[in-house]
Amino acid sequence: NAGVTQTPKFQVLKTGQSMTLQCAQDMNHNSMYWYRQDPGMGLRLIYYSASEGTTDKGEVPNGYNVSRLNKREFSLRLESAAPSQTSVYFCASSEGSSGLYEQYFGPGTRLTVT
Amino acid sequence: GENVEQHPSTLSVQEGDSAVIKCTYSDSASNYFPWYKQELGKRPQLIIDIRSNVGEKKDQRIAVTLNKTAKHFSLHITETQPEDSAVYFCALPQRDDSWGKLQFGAGTQVVVTP
Repeated sequence: NAGVTQTPKFQVLKTGQSMTLQCAQDMNHNSMYWYRQDPGMGLRLIYYSASEGTTDKGEVPNGYNVSRLNKREFSLRLESAAPSQTSVYFCASSEGSSGLYEQYFGPGTRLTVT
Repeated sequence: GENVEQHPSTLSVQEGDSAVIKCTYSDSASNYFPWYKQELGKRPQLIIDIRSNVGEKKDQRIAVTLNKTAKHFSLHITETQPEDSAVYFCALPQRDDSWGKLQFGAGTQVVVTP
């Protein structure tokens, strides 16, 4: 089992460019999450999907969109990147449809917006 | 949403000594209390969790204690070793949205010095 995978590992964008971060899990988990991690800020939830076909906003959703393509895949899109979106992005998944279960994280995507 | 306060933000300990990190919360209905460890450049991983029906849980050198009356839970690491150097995060499920998401603390940087 690969667990949770993310692509790309690194990305540099210019302000105003768009991109999609890809995430997939092979553990048949119901819930999937996107977090961003900035120095000294911990992990902040951008969007989550409690089950296939549903998505909900987290703490910092502005400037992002998501798609739960199927049970395995959950993508995060930046339509018009801004320097404030420079961060490390983590995807995670969990077995249950709530935050009461262990979350398994992907390796992260380091994004720089210039 | 639920506020999670984590202290201290940094902790330096001598190898072999103990380390304690504390998180406080406000929602008395909280019932799941996980701790995640993130080594430098790696993904966060669950190291221990506790549910509200027990007061303490141990796994080798790590333990979590829960004080529901005072609304705090703590991570204890005994006989610290260099591989314990990492950032540790507490987390708390959020009651809004049916406990669908986790709120992470800001993190504690633990440095174990030989």
